[in-house]
Amino acid sequence: AQTVTQSQPEMSVQEAETVTLSCTYDTSESDYYLFWYKQPPSRQMILVIRQEAYKQQNATENRFSVNFQKAAKSFSLKISDSQLGDAAMYFCATGGSQGNLIFGKGTKLSVKP
Amino acid sequence: NAGVTQTPKFRVLKTGQSMTLLCAQDMNHEYMYWYRQDPGMGLRLIHYSVGEGTTAKGEVPDGYNVSRLKKQNFLLGLESAAPSQTSVYFCASSYSPVAGGTEQYFGPGTRLTVT
Repeated sequence: AQTVTQSQPEMSVQEAETVTLSCTYDTSESDYYLFWYKQPPSRQMILVIRQEAYKQQNATENRFSVNFQKAAKSFSLKISDSQLGDAAMYFCATGGSQGNLIFGKGTKLSVKP
Repeated sequence: NAGVTQTPKFRVLKTGQSMTLLCAQDMNHEYMYWYRQDPGMGLRLIHYSVGEGTTAKGEVPDGYNVSRLKKQNFLLGLESAAPSQTSVYFCASSYSPVAGGTEQYFGPGTRLTVT
């Protein structure tokens, strides 16, 4: 069974600075995807970035990038030039065997002005 | 294009009451899911459907039933609500399984309180 672990319940970053959110996972699949979702106070779940496990190049979406270490089963999210609108819960996830997402418990990110 | 919508957005129930949560999507997606989110937890799968007329159990199905009579709708029922079912419920849909990298689209959530 797949599992996802986020060891940082809360993180804080100064506006315009860079922050890295950690995620480790476990899966028996040889081919899989990893995702980061953002949940702002509105509760809406928003896909931030996704990574294909068989691609060695780290995914990037504007200010968001990942550090994917396949052997270590690590999938961290880096947010550069943090903005007030980045304040949210961030969930790491992978695909489950039922077509669903398997989520970590989340990291609450605060951005200080 | 409304995406995924959920009705209602908020509800308070007394223990033992029943209710149905409605999820609708207009993206012609085959796969639909119901998750629940509790404080300090990520989202957990309750039930899911891989197409019209099909349903299957997820990780935490006890106390819930579902139906998918039409492709665009996925209903979640609570027959006899319990305080342990106080949670935020999310519906989601996707064209194909997310294990293949497909994005899963979420509704805005329903906050349910059972007293």
